[in-house]
Amino acid sequence: AQSVTQPDIHITVSEGASLELRCNYSYGATPYLFWYVQSPGQGLQLLLKYFSGDTLVQGIKGFEAEFKRSQSSFNLRKPSVHWSDAAEYFCAVGATGGGADGLTFGKGTHLIIQP
Amino acid sequence: DGGITQSPKYLFRKEGQNVTLSCEQNLNHDAMYWYRQDPGQGLRLIYYSQIVNDFQKGDIAEGYSVSREKKESFPLTVTSAQKNPTAFYLCASSRLPGNQPQHFGDGTRLSIL
Repeated sequence: AQSVTQPDIHITVSEGASLELRCNYSYGATPYLFWYVQSPGQGLQLLLKYFSGDTLVQGIKGFEAEFKRSQSSFNLRKPSVHWSDAAEYFCAVGATGGGADGLTFGKGTHLIIQP
Repeated sequence: DGGITQSPKYLFRKEGQNVTLSCEQNLNHDAMYWYRQDPGQGLRLIYYSQIVNDFQKGDIAEGYSVSREKKESFPLTVTSAQKNPTAFYLCASSRLPGNQPQHFGDGTRLSIL
């Protein structure tokens, strides 16, 4: 079965600084990978997804992520964060065989933005 | 606009009481999911349904029940057997079962009186 690790529970970044959130997965084949964002008291919104092809994926709100097979990673990046980016971020993985129970989520990284 | 509607946003349960959380989608998605979210725990799968009149237990199904009588509806009942029901509950759907992107509702927060 696949699994996802987000090593950082909290990350604090100054407004305008660059951001990288880490995600490591465990899966035998090439996985389907996702990043979601959750504002307090809200549901999850899809930021971007990787299925195949170009390993650098562009998403909404200026986010991008890079799939690195050798490192089993799918880190999320943003060149300059805004105060509105403060939220919880979840990485998720889906099996290429498509298990019916859907995606496996990491435990999340809480992003704090300092003025 | 298409989306997923969860209601109510806040719900309170008395001891020994069953409560039902509503989830409706107008995205014409086949698959639907229920997750429980606790602080620091991420999302844990309670039940999922691939198609109408079919559903399967997830990782933490004990104390919960579901039905899928219509494609657009997937209500979750938190029974009195669930001894620690206080949590944030999220409903999601995907066009097909499996590794497709999931769309989420805005959640229901359940608390014990």
